[in-house]
Amino acid sequence: AQSVTQLGSHVSVSEGALVLLRCNYSSSVPPYLFWYVQYPNQGLQLLLKYTTGATLVKGINGFEAEFKKSETSFHLTKPSAHMSDAAEYFCAVTLSGGYNKLIFGAGTRLAVHP
Amino acid sequence: ETGVTQTPRHLVMGMTNKKSLKCEQHLGHNAMYWYKQSAKKPLELMFVYSLEERVENNSVPSRFSPECPNSSHLFLHLHTLQPEDSALYLCASSQLGSGNTEAFFGQGTRLTVV
Repeated sequence: AQSVTQLGSHVSVSEGALVLLRCNYSSSVPPYLFWYVQYPNQGLQLLLKYTTGATLVKGINGFEAEFKKSETSFHLTKPSAHMSDAAEYFCAVTLSGGYNKLIFGAGTRLAVHP
Repeated sequence: ETGVTQTPRHLVMGMTNKKSLKCEQHLGHNAMYWYKQSAKKPLELMFVYSLEERVENNSVPSRFSPECPNSSHLFLHLHTLQPEDSALYLCASSQLGSGNTEAFFGQGTRLTVV
């Protein structure tokens, strides 16, 4: 069975600082991994995904994530936080051939202060 | 219209009411999903439809009844709900068999059961 753990339910950074949101997964087979963002009163928007190939994945809004199989991690980073990055971020996993069902982590709420 | 559209955006209903949530996708996808997002729990997959056939029901109580009349529309019929069913209900779609694994989400329906 697959599972996702996001370390830190709340993260606070200063504008311009590095953003690091942590995600670890558990899967018995190679997973597909995703980061989604949710702004208040909105649905989920895909930031980036890892399926196969290059382990460093670039997404929208300057975010990127690196798939590290040895550490079973898929941490999300952004070099310089912007006020508009304040939102909730969800890491998710799915398997090939599994109807694209997503298993989500509990989410990390990112606050950006001036 | 583009993407995934959910109506209504907000719904307040009594425990004896019957209501329906509607989802429409304009992406030509062949799979649709209902997810539940509660205040203190991770996003939970409720139902999966592939080619209009229900392929997964994640132990959801019978007071939630999904319907998929065609590949573009998905409904969630609600009756005799409980206050703990209050949550954000998210619809999503994806294209199975294409190599693309991401799901596209609607903005959700905020349901309050009183």
